Amino acid sequence: GAVVSQHPSRVICKSGTSVKIECRSLDFQATTMFWYRQFPKQSLMLMATSNEGSKATYEQGVEKDKFLINHASLTLSTLTVTSAHPEDSSFYICSARRLAGEFNEQFFGPGTRLTVL
Amino acid sequence: AQTVTQSQPEMSVQEAETVTLSCTYDTSESDYYLFWYKQPPSRQMILVIRQEAYKQQNATENRFSVNFQKAAKSFSLKISDSQLGDAAMYFCAYRSGRGSNYKLTFGKGTLLTVNP
Repeated sequence: GAVVSQHPSRVICKSGTSVKIECRSLDFQATTMFWYRQFPKQSLMLMATSNEGSKATYEQGVEKDKFLINHASLTLSTLTVTSAHPEDSSFYICSARRLAGEFNEQFFGPGTRLTVL
Repeated sequence: AQTVTQSQPEMSVQEAETVTLSCTYDTSESDYYLFWYKQPPSRQMILVIRQEAYKQQNATENRFSVNFQKAAKSFSLKISDSQLGDAAMYFCAYRSGRGSNYKLTFGKGTLLTVNP
């Protein structure tokens, strides 16, 4: 159990277009989902915390108008990169916090590689 | 704000040997959790082991164990009988135990190479 999926696994787009990435908790409910960004050979940097039914909380330095997050249900959160540019090329990872359980553990998706040409 | 420091960008170990990865953290909180995550080439983050700060006993999961020194704010990971499949990037992470803030703060990672 506790599987998190991301779709697509990789996407290539042209500069100026928007890209949507989905994060789903497949077998559990998640009130909170987190979006991370990871550049090559670097650590995960938290971009935003997404709570079901409310606005996302963005980390300092992350443009909320550029990285739109929607958490419409207990199993789905989406990240939309608007007007993508080459510098947005990165590996995006989501995680979902399970509602039940002693440790409120986060489970990670497999990531989405975004390449902006 | 909490910070997590991993001072070893890269480590290597011979297969079947033991290796220890270092992690220190800075916090003013008394209630928190510490984690080690493994990220293999597939990039999938995998939880290796967790430690609750209120527990004095070091956590152990099969070949993986930690040395948790709360006063020193140190949380090292020991991998015994290293296997080729242990080769990965390892991240140490901190999470506050208070309130509804479940955010993880990650260290920069240690790339572990296992030599046959």
